Amino acid sequence: SQQGEEDPQALSIQEGENATMNCSYKTSINNLQWYRQNSGRGLVHLILIRSNEREKHSGRLRVTLDTSKKSSSLLITASRAADTASYFCATPQGSNYKLTFGKGTLLTVNP
Amino acid sequence: GAVVSQHPSRVICKSGTSVKIECRSLDFQATTMFWYRQFPKQSLMLMATSNEGSKATYEQGVEKDKFLINHASLTLSTLTVTSAHPEDSSFYICSARIQIDIDTQYFGPGTRLTVL
Repeated sequence: SQQGEEDPQALSIQEGENATMNCSYKTSINNLQWYRQNSGRGLVHLILIRSNEREKHSGRLRVTLDTSKKSSSLLITASRAADTASYFCATPQGSNYKLTFGKGTLLTVNP
Repeated sequence: GAVVSQHPSRVICKSGTSVKIECRSLDFQATTMFWYRQFPKQSLMLMATSNEGSKATYEQGVEKDKFLINHASLTLSTLTVTSAHPEDSSFYICSARIQIDIDTQYFGPGTRLTVL
């Protein structure tokens, strides 16, 4: 079963607006990671937030983590057309630390 | 640093043939590599975990005789799709991890397989 579930599944905004994507998970975690995937390409690691952290920033990205609600959010501020991509949350599981990905949010930023 | 390459990027083959996909870590040694499969507009599904020098660990529902994985060195893992059929058409992505930083996986650019 999917560990991470993102919502919304699709989000369309205008350039300059902020985009917020949410992710929920089911089991306890050590950390949660966000990735970006441009159409037909591999994944790019964006940011990792550990279970003892509540918020983390990286450039225009802001990630929050609420372990009591088992949820995380990714905020992209001042969006650009180049931010158009699918965004996935992922959590490491098991002894091999394998990543389990959510279904993803397809973000479209219109110029 | 931490670049992972995949070859080929695209492959089209006839039904019944076998296709080999290579995943290389270019500037680091990867003790563990992962193979994922992704259908259009869907998420990544882990197929198997590959540790150097040992047999791959396959996820439930993934046929190990169908998807052969070899991790012969610390910089190379291969996935061979044997006797490919149209339903095997998909986007295959590998990732690699360094032992000292188990939190981070570095992803390859993916291989688009089309079986006619």
